[in-house]
This record gives sequence, structure tokens and C-alpha cells, in this order.
Amino acid sequence: EDQVTQSPEALRLQEGESSSLNCSYTVSGLRGLFWYRQDPGKGPEFLFTLYSAGEEKEKERLKATLTKKESFLHITAPKPEDSATYLCAVPSGGYQKVTFGTGTKLQVIP
Amino acid sequence: DAEITQSPRHKITETGRQVTLACHQTWNHNNMFWYRQDLGHGLRLIHYSYGVQDTNKGEVSDGYSVSRSNTEDLPLTLESAASSQTSVYFCASSDGTGDTDTQYFGPGTRLTVL
Repeated sequence: EDQVTQSPEALRLQEGESSSLNCSYTVSGLRGLFWYRQDPGKGPEFLFTLYSAGEEKEKERLKATLTKKESFLHITAPKPEDSATYLCAVPSGGYQKVTFGTGTKLQVIP
Repeated sequence: DAEITQSPRHKITETGRQVTLACHQTWNHNNMFWYRQDLGHGLRLIHYSYGVQDTNKGEVSDGYSVSRSNTEDLPLTLESAASSQTSVYFCASSDGTGDTDTQYFGPGTRLTVL
């Protein structure tokens, strides 16, 4: 069974304190990996798709990287507005079907 | 701007009642999905559709049904609501034909079954 595991479950950072979120996966034949951001009371908002090991993508203070076993979401000099839950997901179980992790809840303190 | 909307945003109902949650997208996407999100679980797929008149069961489909009569709408029906169906429900849509097509999510419906 395909699985996606995110760690840590929660992370509290001071403003400007860089860190990384981890997403490890077990899936047969990785076809890609998604990162989403979810604010309280809202739906997930798409951030990145990574397609193959070694690929990196950046958006403002966020950089996502992918290896054969895991993905990292690096947050450089975070600001309070980066506070959210970050979800990763992989295509799994058939066309257009996706398995999601349970997310990392990030809190950035001013 | 194209968007995906859900209604109602909040709903309280009683055990045994039939409930329908609406999802409407103006992206003109072929693919639409319903998920539920619960603490300790990732988003779990309930039902999905690849186009008009097409519907398919996801991993947690028991007690739920959907119908797709047009491109824009995929209503989710709880036939006889149970307390275990208290959750936040998200609708999503995607275009294209690839496994890595981006799914765009609606704002969610918080359902409480008493």
C-alpha cells in the first residue's frame, strides 16, 4: 500500500529561523510529488509539482527538493505569513488518484 | 476568474437525514473529486468523476454517492448521515489527462452530524 509520511507533525519557528519539512513516501513507480499549503478554514493551495529525483523548485522563501525516497520543503527566513499546514502528496492507485500525507503544521513567531 | 465553490460552508444535521453538499467549478475541468479531511488522516478520496455521466468510488465511499450531469457540478450526497461522517469535505478539480495534473481545491464544507 502506498504511503506518505510527513515530519514533524508541528514546527514552531522564530521569524527568520530557516528549517526544513520532510515528506517520505513508499510508492511503486514514483510519477511525481505535490506540495500544497493549507490555511485554517481553507482548502489546500497548490505550491509545486516535482517530477523526478534531483529536481528542485522555488517560490519566494520556499524551495522543494526531491530524492528517490523523500522530499524536503526548505523554508528560508520565514515570516509569520508562512504559518500554515503544508501537505505533500503523490500520484497513487490509478489515474489522477493521489495519496496525501497528514501534513506539517508550521507556526512562525514574530 | 475561474474558481471552485462549495456550499454550504457549514452544515449541522441529524443522524439518519439525507444531506447534499454542492460543488461547482468554472474551470471547465473534466475531472472532479470529493475528499474528506479528519484529524490524524490525510485527505481521503470519497468519489471522483472523469467527465459527464462518469462516477467512480474512492477509498472511503461507503454511505456516499455522487452524480455528474454536467461539467461544472459534482454534488455529494450522504444517503443517511452518521456521526462518523462528521468531517470537513473538500471538492477538487483538474484538467488534462496526466497523473501529475494539478488538483485545485474548493474552500471546504464543515459537516457536523449530531
